Amino acid sequence: EVQLLESGGGLVQPGGSLRLSCAASGFTFSSYAMSWVRQAPGKGLEWVSAISGSGGSTYYADSVKGRFTISRDNSKNTLYLQMNSLRAEDTAVYYCAKTDRGSYYDPSHGMDVWGQGTTVTVSS
Amino acid sequence: SYELTQPPSVSVSPGQTARITCSGDALPKQYAYWYQQKPGQAPVLVIYKDSERPSGIPERFSGSSSGTTVTLTISGVQAEDEADYYCQSADSSVVFGGGTKLTVL
Repeated sequence: EVQLLESGGGLVQPGGSLRLSCAASGFTFSSYAMSWVRQAPGKGLEWVSAISGSGGSTYYADSVKGRFTISRDNSKNTLYLQMNSLRAEDTAVYYCAKTDRGSYYDPSHGMDVWGQGTTVTVSS
Repeated sequence: SYELTQPPSVSVSPGQTARITCSGDALPKQYAYWYQQKPGQAPVLVIYKDSERPSGIPERFSGSSSGTTVTLTISGVQAEDEADYYCQSADSSVVFGGGTKLTVL
């Protein structure tokens, strides 16, 4: 069964840091680009970041560029999101998602498998 | 920045047909995707590449495209279809519509 399992969320003060992880199983992890998508409380979905299958290419939404870093360890089948300089507006459920095709990232591709999400709360 | 526009809400009675639209200028050139999200759950892909249905998604879910509008159609709506539905497409990055809450009366 194809599965994604996020972890690492929690309560952090403004300006703090947090690292999210997403453990993948049931598919050849390195063959697919991966994304992080977040959802603020009561709001819609917002794409945050993506990474190619090899990890050599990374992409960010303007709202997180320079503060968040996406990475992956294909030997561990794990995706990461390092979040620094956190702000109240970063409070959200963070989902990792698998691209529906290809190891290269293309924003015109869909996301066919999603994790259950991990909650990040930025508050003093 | 590029936007996809969805109606905030759609209501239908059980057994009727629900149609949820998504409008965007780039939709004639880019594929659209549809996700279903029930309260407290992760999104689930229900339509990809405008009109393709993933395995395991009921046949009552279908998608279509015409010009700058794509439409998710749910035929014979069931109570379990009550959820938020999001369209997704792209310009230079991934874009989601604002979501439509489907209420089954």
